[in-house]
Amino acid sequence: GQQVMQIPQYQHVQEGEDFTTYCNSSTTLSNIQWYKQRPGGHPVFLIQLVKSGEVKKQKRLTFQFGEAKKNSSLHITATQTTDVGTYFCAGPSGTYKYIFGTGTRLKVLA
Amino acid sequence: DTAVSQTPKYLVTQMGNDKSIKCEQNLGHDTMYWYKQDSKKFLKIMFSYNNKELIINETVPNRFSPKSPDKAHLNLHINSLELGDSAVYFCASSLTGALNEQFFGPGTRLTVL
Repeated sequence: GQQVMQIPQYQHVQEGEDFTTYCNSSTTLSNIQWYKQRPGGHPVFLIQLVKSGEVKKQKRLTFQFGEAKKNSSLHITATQTTDVGTYFCAGPSGTYKYIFGTGTRLKVLA
Repeated sequence: DTAVSQTPKYLVTQMGNDKSIKCEQNLGHDTMYWYKQDSKKFLKIMFSYNNKELIINETVPNRFSPKSPDKAHLNLHINSLELGDSAVYFCASSLTGALNEQFFGPGTRLTVL
């Protein structure tokens, strides 16, 4: 079945360092979504990418969708303690189902 | 106003018991979901409903029975609880279609002793 893997599984960074998580799908995706889950919280939608090669920015966050639409990345510049959490990518499998990636847990050391 | 709400927030129960989790959304969405998040944080879809109809049943044991009395509500009943059912269960909703973001509820942490 369709799989969505993320690397790394965990990442510890010093505050101010950059961070990147990579998302790889076993199948071509029509779009990809990114979610953030704070510790003890629920996933919250960050962004959606639809076009091949698309790049979107949200302040210090840069999201990219691969040319083949099978991979994506999230890059955070100059991490802050508020960036702590688990970041998930998610790709659709039909109209009514999303496959979530394995997640990357980010810890930021002050 | 809470967009997607779930009750209860915590559920601690003995093996073999039956329990229910309730979910309500006030966003006017047509599609609702149940997800299970295990201790390793993997988020796995269990069920999808669209306009009260079950669309996706992701090979979940029969002990799990979702029910959608109307578009705004999706409940989850679990019979004969097992240790392996311990997890956080999230309800979510979205507009119909793969290009729509999902709004998650706060989650229900189920602990089976």
